[in-house]
Amino acid sequence: DQQVKQNSPSLSVQEGRISILNCDYTNSMFDYFLWYKKYPAEGPTFLISISSIKDKNEDGRFTVFLNKSAKHLSLHIVPSQPGDSAVYFCAASRRTSGTYKYIFGTGTRLKVLA
Amino acid sequence: NAGVTQTPKFQVLKTGQSMTLQCAQDMNHEYMSWYRQDPGMGLRLIHYSVGAGITDQGEVPNGYNVSRSTTEDFPLRLLSAAPSQTSVYFCASSYSTSGVPYEQYFGPGTRLTVT
Repeated sequence: DQQVKQNSPSLSVQEGRISILNCDYTNSMFDYFLWYKKYPAEGPTFLISISSIKDKNEDGRFTVFLNKSAKHLSLHIVPSQPGDSAVYFCAASRRTSGTYKYIFGTGTRLKVLA
Repeated sequence: NAGVTQTPKFQVLKTGQSMTLQCAQDMNHEYMSWYRQDPGMGLRLIHYSVGAGITDQGEVPNGYNVSRSTTEDFPLRLLSAAPSQTSVYFCASSYSTSGVPYEQYFGPGTRLTVT
């Protein structure tokens, strides 16, 4: 049972345009969401996060939107650059018995075309 | 500040062998975790720890053991390797405040092949 889903395995975007990566979740108890970027042969690196009490968080070219009623979040990258080509993972976390765990999606491979 | 380090980077095991993947962090993070990454499966949580002496199971814990005797180290033990454990393993750590999780810092990964 995949609690965090990224239904698009890949996405291609022209340099300078907007990239939109989507993520859906099934558990309404998730209260903190994160996006990570991963280059080949490296560990994931943190990009941006959002708490469930917000609906938008912005950091430079990266904006994350959260729609709690739809259980959906998206990552917008504007403008897209060739260096953004990577695999993007969304992750969600929730408190469970006093601790918490992160659940990751399957990832979306973004290719930014020069 | 080395961040999260993992050893070895690559390992080949025969079915039935045991081994320990090492993970260490120098950021004084309370929370540490192990993930495996498989094609089409994303990152799946194996085990995690919210502090020294405390560990818990993640999504795919079978065949793996962990312990957390210090804040810095969180080794992952494969008890009897199986081909299904062929994967890339990532260790991660994060700090937390009053149980609120923050972003995780990942190590570079260990690529394990079981023949």
